[in-house]
Parts: sequence; structure tokens; C-alpha cells
Amino acid sequence: KAGVTQTPRYLIKTRGQQVTLSCSPISGHRSVSWYQQTPGQGLQFLFEYFSETQRNKGNFPGRFSGRQFSNSRSEMNVSTLELGDSALYLCASRGMRVQTGELFFGEGSRLTVL
Amino acid sequence: KNQVEQSPQSLIILEGKNCTLQCNYTVSPFSNLRWYKQDTGRGPVSLTIMTFSENTKSNGRYTATLDADTKQSSLHITASQLSDSASYICVVSAGQAGTALIFGKGTTLSVSS
Repeated sequence: KAGVTQTPRYLIKTRGQQVTLSCSPISGHRSVSWYQQTPGQGLQFLFEYFSETQRNKGNFPGRFSGRQFSNSRSEMNVSTLELGDSALYLCASRGMRVQTGELFFGEGSRLTVL
Repeated sequence: KNQVEQSPQSLIILEGKNCTLQCNYTVSPFSNLRWYKQDTGRGPVSLTIMTFSENTKSNGRYTATLDADTKQSSLHITASQLSDSASYICVVSAGQAGTALIFGKGTTLSVSS
């Protein structure tokens, strides 16, 4: 069973640009969530999608947005990039048994903003 | 306010030694608690899940405990190996459906030879 796939793995952008990250969940998983991880801050929840609907949203500015497609693949977009957006962005999927709470993470997309 | 606090923030031990990581939570209603291991530059991977009725659960050299009364969990690593060097993240599920997740900031463990 293929795991969660995130693309691209690494990217470098400059301030003011925008970026789109992609996440393909484990087959059959309908929940996809996104996280920002920076040194010392741990995992910060961005948003969660379930069956193409945003179910939960973290405390991030409107420059961060996402969407989920009918095949459960998800994208997140960050517009008007700032230096502080440099981070590892992780995507995770969950199966139908959401009560167990297990997240299956991808390898992440490491964004560097110059 | 739902919170998860982990200690210590970082830890250095010699290979072969044991160590214990702590997780204190104030989450209500509690659904379950999970420990994740995150190697540098990789995504976290679940080590174990603890539900309300469970006190101890082992996964190889990793043993997790849960005290629901004091709202504390620990992760004990026995006979540490260099490959145990990683961040360990405590995640608590809240709510009836367990859909709300509260993350600790993690403990960074370094095992040296």
C-alpha cells in the first residue's frame, strides 16, 4: 500500500511569490490535514479536509489556503510569501476510523523563502 | 484550554542507556494519546496509541504508560540505539469522535556512542 506522497520535496522561493504544494493520501483515506513545522515550534496545524470540505482550520493568516479534490488529493497554497514561511510542510491522511487518531504523514515539502 | 506539554525539550544520552520522556495534557474530553517518532527531515511515524482504559503498551524497546487520573503519559526507551535519535511527539485526540488533535512540541533525543 503506497504511503502519503508530497511534492515537491524541496523548493526555494523569494519573498512575494506564491507556492503550491501537493499531497496524495493513502488510497481510501478521505481526510487530509496540513501542518507547518519550524524549529522550536513543533507541528502547527494549518487545516484539515474531508471529502472535499474544509473541516477544521488552524490559526494562520488567509495567505494560507487549501483545497481537496474528488480523488482526495489535496493542495495547499501560500501567497505573498514571507521569510517566516520557511518551514517543513507536512501532509497527513487518516482513514475511516478517525477515532483512533492515527495520522500517516508524508515526507514533507521543505520550503525556503529568500 | 486544551494543551499538551512535553519534557524535557531535549535530551542527550549514551548508547545503551535507558530514558523516559514525559507528556502532560489538559485535554477534555480525552479520546486517546499517541506517541510519534520523527527522524530528521522525515514525517512522523506512530509508535503507539493509548486509550483511556490502557495503562501500559509496548512496541519493541518502546514502552508507553498512561495515567488518566493525573493526565500524564511517559515513553520509556530501553537500551537506546543510535537510530533512536529523533524527535518524539505526543499527540492527544479530543472530543467524542477523536477528530481534534492537540500536539506537543516534542522532545529531541540524541543518542551518542
